[in-house]
Amino acid sequence: QVQLVQSGAEVKKPGSSVKVSCKASGGTFSTYAMSWVRQAPGQGLEWMGGIIQTFGTAVYAQKFQGRLTISADESTSTVSMELSSLRSDDTAVYYCARGGSTLTNDGLDVWGQGTTVTVSS
Amino acid sequence: DIVMTQSPDSLAVSLGERATINCKSSRSVLDSSNNREYLAWYQQKPGQPPKLLIHWASTRESGVPDRFSGSGSGTDFTLTISSLQAEDVADYYCQQYYSSPLTFGGGTKVEIK
Repeated sequence: QVQLVQSGAEVKKPGSSVKVSCKASGGTFSTYAMSWVRQAPGQGLEWMGGIIQTFGTAVYAQKFQGRLTISADESTSTVSMELSSLRSDDTAVYYCARGGSTLTNDGLDVWGQGTTVTVSS
Repeated sequence: DIVMTQSPDSLAVSLGERATINCKSSRSVLDSSNNREYLAWYQQKPGQPPKLLIHWASTRESGVPDRFSGSGSGTDFTLTISSLQAEDVADYYCQQYYSSPLTFGGGTKVEIK
């Protein structure tokens, strides 16, 4: 049974960067695509981007282009998300989630527990 | 981008009654090469991550009670809870995975009447 365990909560200043990690255990890691989804307080789900691990290719939603970097380390079964130039509206819970072998060939069937990122001066 | 529109925003249903949530995509999410609808439904309870209930529009994930069913094709989809239980109180989201960026509906809050 695959589990995704994310790093802990973060409090950041506007303009800074945050890096959130997501470590997989209990199953095959590198054959799946991994997505990052965020949820602002009281709001819905927003897909930020993902990585197709087989090819090491990251894909980003246009909204986050230039600010978001997603990477994967097969040796530690860890996927990471770094968001820069943080603003107050980046305050959200950030989730990693496992998809199919690509980003667009199945739903997201395993989710991390979520990491709260608070951006405040 | 494919825009996903859910309705209603919220729904109050008596225990044991049927709950129906609608989801409309701005473009078809049907892949004609394999005749599959690239549509998923998620349940999210407070303080928890989303849980995948249904993918391919109508295929229940393992362990999901059979009171949950998905239907629809092309651009119009429905999630039905045939007999609402107290533990079904949650937010529900549809999502297309036909094309990047993946997009979610705005969510539907299901409560007990």
